[in-house]
Amino acid sequence: DQQVKQNSPSLSVQEGRISILNCDYTNSMFDYFLWYKKYPAEGPTFLISISSIKDKNEDGRFTVFLNKSAKHLSLHIVPSQPGDSAVYFCAASGVSGGSNYKLTFGKGTLLTVNP
Amino acid sequence: GAGVSQSPSNKVTEKGKDVELRCDPISGHTALYWYRQSLGQGLEFLIYFQGNSAPDKSGLPSDRFSAERTGGSVSTLTIQRTQQEDSAVYLCASGVLSYNEQFFGPGTRLTVL
Repeated sequence: DQQVKQNSPSLSVQEGRISILNCDYTNSMFDYFLWYKKYPAEGPTFLISISSIKDKNEDGRFTVFLNKSAKHLSLHIVPSQPGDSAVYFCAASGVSGGSNYKLTFGKGTLLTVNP
Repeated sequence: GAGVSQSPSNKVTEKGKDVELRCDPISGHTALYWYRQSLGQGLEFLIYFQGNSAPDKSGLPSDRFSAERTGGSVSTLTIQRTQQEDSAVYLCASGVLSYNEQFFGPGTRLTVL
């Protein structure tokens, strides 16, 4: 049973446009969420995170939105650049649940930004 | 080095053989994690080390898997009697605080023939 779901395996956008990557979760104990970016043959790199006490966190071109009632979060990249082309993983952990170090990952979404 | 390093980068082995995968975390990081990513899947938690505390081994898929962390630094993941379903990319990560950002190594791609 997948607790973190990224239902879109791939997404293609034009350079300069907005990229929206979606993630849904089922475990109500999750209260900390992260996005990682992964290039081929490299390990994932941390991008941005959000705590459940917030509904938005912004860092430059990247913004994460959290809708707790819908158990849904999204990553917005604007404007998208060709260098953003990578696999994006959504991850979640349950800080209040005691196992705050276990990250549960989605399967990832391959983003392609076309010049 | 500046980041997490893993060796080997690629390992091809025959079914039934034992393999050892190594992880060198970032100096000073007390938390160390092992994950694996099978084809088409997300990252699956395997084991977690934090300082001198007993490791959380709850993610290890079978007793053929074991891991050690010597001196609070280098870690070795051992898979005994490898099976074809063990084929995956094995990723190591380290961190300072237990739930903050985890820094990943490049991974070891294991192929069991």
